[in-house]
Amino acid sequence: QVQLQQSGAELVRPGVSVKISCKGSGYTFTDYAMHWVKQSHAKSLEWIGVISTYYGDASYNQKFKGKATMTVDKSSSTAYMELARLTSEDSAIYYCASPSFAYWGQGTLVTVSA
Amino acid sequence: QAVVTQESALTTSPGETVTLTCRSSTGAVTTSNYANWVQEKPDHLFTGLIGGTNNRAPGVPARFSGSLIGDKAALTITGAQTEDEAIYFCALWYSNWVFGGGTKLTVL
Repeated sequence: QVQLQQSGAELVRPGVSVKISCKGSGYTFTDYAMHWVKQSHAKSLEWIGVISTYYGDASYNQKFKGKATMTVDKSSSTAYMELARLTSEDSAIYYCASPSFAYWGQGTLVTVSA
Repeated sequence: QAVVTQESALTTSPGETVTLTCRSSTGAVTTSNYANWVQEKPDHLFTGLIGGTNNRAPGVPARFSGSLIGDKAALTITGAQTEDEAIYFCALWYSNWVFGGGTKLTVL
């Protein structure tokens, strides 16, 4: 069965970056693009962007350009998202989802605090 | 950016039919918005239900169906079960995906 396993919770200081991962299993990883979604109390769900797991090219929500960078490692069936220059506004749960929004990872809580 | 609006909360009884809707601030929702519906259960467990307006995701029970009703996207649960109590989000495509605020469905 399709599973998306995300990395664990992160507690990070303002100004640094964090990289979270999402490992796909139970399907051919490169058959479907990977989406990333942010969940926060203030904004409910926000689509960050999508990356082709085959070609590695990404498309971003304009709001997250410069903030999020999505990459993939086909050899390990893992997608990554790096969030840069973190502020308290970035504290949220981040999810990967594929294909389209059929299957979701369990979420990665990112807390930005000094 | 477009704003997507859903009912904040609905209540239904087991066995009843309930319809959740998804409205776009830019006008009528069409098949070009590829409406998706996802379910969130406690502990942030998300499951995709419907993609492309009316295509059920693999393994989703047949009681869940998607459609366009009037100028909105709709998710209909025919014969609601107690386990369908959850928050339901729609997402519409505008060259970005935009999610609605979610509908908290109570089944009792």
